Amino acid sequence: QSVLTQPPSVSGAPGQRVTISCTGSSSNIGAGYDVQWYQQLPGTAPKLLIYGNNNRPSGVPDRVSGSKSGTSASLAITGLQAEDEADYYCQSYDNSLSGPVVFGGGTKLTVL
Amino acid sequence: EVQLLESGGGLVQPGGSLRLSCAASGFTFSRYGMSWVRQAPGKGLEWVSGISGSVGSTHYAASVKGRFTISRDNSKNTLYLQMSSLRVEDTAVYYCAKIPAATTVHYWNFDLWGRGTLVTVSS
Repeated sequence: QSVLTQPPSVSGAPGQRVTISCTGSSSNIGAGYDVQWYQQLPGTAPKLLIYGNNNRPSGVPDRVSGSKSGTSASLAITGLQAEDEADYYCQSYDNSLSGPVVFGGGTKLTVL
Repeated sequence: EVQLLESGGGLVQPGGSLRLSCAASGFTFSRYGMSWVRQAPGKGLEWVSGISGSVGSTHYAASVKGRFTISRDNSKNTLYLQMSSLRVEDTAVYYCAKIPAATTVHYWNFDLWGRGTLVTVSS
């Protein structure tokens, strides 16, 4: 099992808002390390969506946002579109033997 | 165009060795740290190894430490992953990824990815 825990799947209708959680511990998110989020469309390489907890790289729409609190982080997507259907992964640093770089297990987002 | 292109994947028997390469173009390769991330068939992402840009300090996941070696040739803009004592569980698509700033491993994230190369370990 992954050091960072994500729900296996979430879903939402077009136009709705969905959130994906990423739960860690005192050796990673809870220790203050940054969280990143990646989107992986079917059959393609991952793409950086959020870095440093809540920063969007150039080209990522502002309907995508990230937040962090305590030992958890969340990715929110508003105005859901069919093209958002993908796998999403959180990533952070871990100061235990599980690290140093750790990913969540991934969440499949289905647009209904 | 900024891009990463992996090569060297293939079929190898358990216990065998393989060397992956990642050719970088469109940016000053020596300035940036680089990493390898793998994805087993139908599974999630797993970080494998990383190397800093200038000093060349290296880091490994526990699952590959002692078996895999990451290196880089800044004169050739190329990243390598030497894999030995390969196991069936090493079967995966291996992605090369760029780290966007000259930071320590505590702040690593990956802003550019290659398309990946498939490594299959099977008898």
